[in-house]
Amino acid sequence: NAGVMQNPRHLVRRRGQEARLRCSPMKGHSHVYWYRQLPEEGLKFMVYLQKENIIDESGMPKERFSAEFPKEGPSILRIQQVVRGDSAAYFCASSPFTAGGPNEQFFGPGTRLTVL
Amino acid sequence: AQKVTQAQTEISVVEKEDVTLDCVYETRDTTYYLFWYKQPPSGELVFLIRRNSFDEQNEISGRYSWNFQKSTSSFNFTITASQVVDSAVYFCALSERRGNTPLVFGKGTRLSVIA
Repeated sequence: NAGVMQNPRHLVRRRGQEARLRCSPMKGHSHVYWYRQLPEEGLKFMVYLQKENIIDESGMPKERFSAEFPKEGPSILRIQQVVRGDSAAYFCASSPFTAGGPNEQFFGPGTRLTVL
Repeated sequence: AQKVTQAQTEISVVEKEDVTLDCVYETRDTTYYLFWYKQPPSGELVFLIRRNSFDEQNEISGRYSWNFQKSTSSFNFTITASQVVDSAVYFCALSERRGNTPLVFGKGTRLSVIA
């Protein structure tokens, strides 16, 4: 059973370009979370998705950032017109559905975005 | 609002010493979950433990132990007989109980174990 997969692992973009980060959850997991880790900081929640639905995007900047989790395929975090401040590690986590409380979230290896 | 504070930014110990990483949390929920994760230099996040707010029993797993004290809103993590491989950033996190919910992380404590 493969773990959470993220690609690319490293991504370099110039200011103004678009960044697309992909996350494939663990098999059987229908919930995906995106977190951002700025240098020397803890992880901060960005968005929580289920298949075809955004459940909570309270942590995502209103402009330039969007996320989706289509019925088929990986979850995508898209950053348009990147700026230097977007340089960070972006982690994806997945969990199965539970009615009894939060599950352990399984984290991917992260994508390290560098904006030149 | 939920908040996790890890007051120790960096700790440095000599191999074989014991070390305790502090974690203090704030939440208005009566039911919640607490987590510890390890982030080694390679960058991935490794799950260490999850506790729910009703279970105040301390837990031991090998050289790792956790002390959960609801009265002081703390969930401290102790490594006994530290080893160089323990060098990493350790994160404490909190999640309220409402089905699947995001985690609130502390800023992390960087532990360096010197041989």
